[in-house]
Amino acid sequence: AQSVAQPEDQVNVAEGNPLTVKCTYSVSGNPYLFWYVQYPNRGLQFLLKYITGDNLVKGSYGFEAEFNKSQTSFHLKKPSALVSDSALYFCAVPPRGTYKYIFGTGTRLKVLA
Amino acid sequence: KAGVTQTPRYLIKTRGQQVTLSCSPISGHRSVSWYQQTPGQGLQFLFEYFSETQRNKGNFPGRFSGRQFSNSRSEMNVSTLELGDSALYLCASSLGAGTSLVNEQFFGPGTRLTVL
Repeated sequence: AQSVAQPEDQVNVAEGNPLTVKCTYSVSGNPYLFWYVQYPNRGLQFLLKYITGDNLVKGSYGFEAEFNKSQTSFHLKKPSALVSDSALYFCAVPPRGTYKYIFGTGTRLKVLA
Repeated sequence: KAGVTQTPRYLIKTRGQQVTLSCSPISGHRSVSWYQQTPGQGLQFLFEYFSETQRNKGNFPGRFSGRQFSNSRSEMNVSTLELGDSALYLCASSLGAGTSLVNEQFFGPGTRLTVL
């Protein structure tokens, strides 16, 4: 079965420190991979995606993600965290030939001042 | 460009009633998807429409249905509401062309449904 895993329910990081939010996937074929962020009482916002090409993808708000095919991972990173980055982060995979996302369970990021 | 809008934002219903939620996509977007978000189950896909045709359906009972109009606006209906239907229902739109979700989806703020 195709799936996406976010192994950490919550990640705490101090402001100014680098952050990593982990995502691993299990899908057939070459995956499309997405990261979305959800702020309180709001819908999801697109951060970045990997379709093909460079393994390092840059997105909104200074975020980037690295696609690692051998480890089937797509971890979200930011060199220097801000308090305003505190939110719920979702990794998502649309299986090829479908029109839906399989979402991870979400990781709550808390950036401490 | 205006974003995805959903109405109403909040709803309170009782068991057995039915409810209709509405979604207006971003202008030019022809694909509309619906998701259910709950603390226990996370984000679950309900269905996706493109040019008034349902292309994908998630694993939800037949009480959950949807449709899309010629202007791409979409509605979803839940009949015979159950307590477990309490959730945030999110609508998302995208360009929708192609054979997979290559283009990112733009989400609305959601409709918070509470079933008493």
